[in-house]
Amino acid sequence: GQQVMQIPQYQHVQEGEDFTTYCNSSTTLSNIQWYKQRPGGHPVFLIQLVKSGEVKKQKRLTFQFGEAKKNSSLHITATQTTDVGTYFCAGHASNTGKLIFGQGTTLQVKP
Amino acid sequence: NAGVTQTPKFQVLKTGQSMTLQCAQDMNHEYMSWYRQDPGMGLRLIHYSVGAGITDQGEVPNGYNVSRSTTEDFPLRLLSAAPSQTSVYFCASSKHNNEQFFGPGTRLTVL
Repeated sequence: GQQVMQIPQYQHVQEGEDFTTYCNSSTTLSNIQWYKQRPGGHPVFLIQLVKSGEVKKQKRLTFQFGEAKKNSSLHITATQTTDVGTYFCAGHASNTGKLIFGQGTTLQVKP
Repeated sequence: NAGVTQTPKFQVLKTGQSMTLQCAQDMNHEYMSWYRQDPGMGLRLIHYSVGAGITDQGEVPNGYNVSRSTTEDFPLRLLSAAPSQTSVYFCASSKHNNEQFFGPGTRLTVL
């Protein structure tokens, strides 16, 4: 079945350093979504990418969708303590409504 | 709008007991899903529904039943609770393959 792998599982950075998490799917995706979960909270939607090679930015966050629509990345420039949390990618393999999540990357930021 | 609501927030069960986790949304979303979250495992899809009267299995459906008699409600039933079902359960809803809105979660412990 469809699998979505995400690396790394954990990342500790000094405030001001950059951070990247990578997501790979075993199947071609119709779209990919990114979520952030703060400790003790629920996942909150960040963005959706649909087109092959698409790049979207939200302030210090840059999201990319691979040309083959099987991988994606989230890059945070100059991390801040407010970036702490777990970042999940999630993909729809087809028009089924079945959204499969990666394992998540937990980001810790040292002030 | 209340968004996605889940009850109860916390629950402790004994092995073999049954119970129903409630989920409701007031956004007229067609799609609803149940996920469980365990440390290091990310969010795993249990069951999902693309509309009233339609349900399908996700990645980890065993030991759980769902029904979707209305657009608003999507209850998750544990038939005979086992310690392996100790987890945090999230319900989510969305328009077709779009941003998922998550409920606050139910923290379940099975002794």
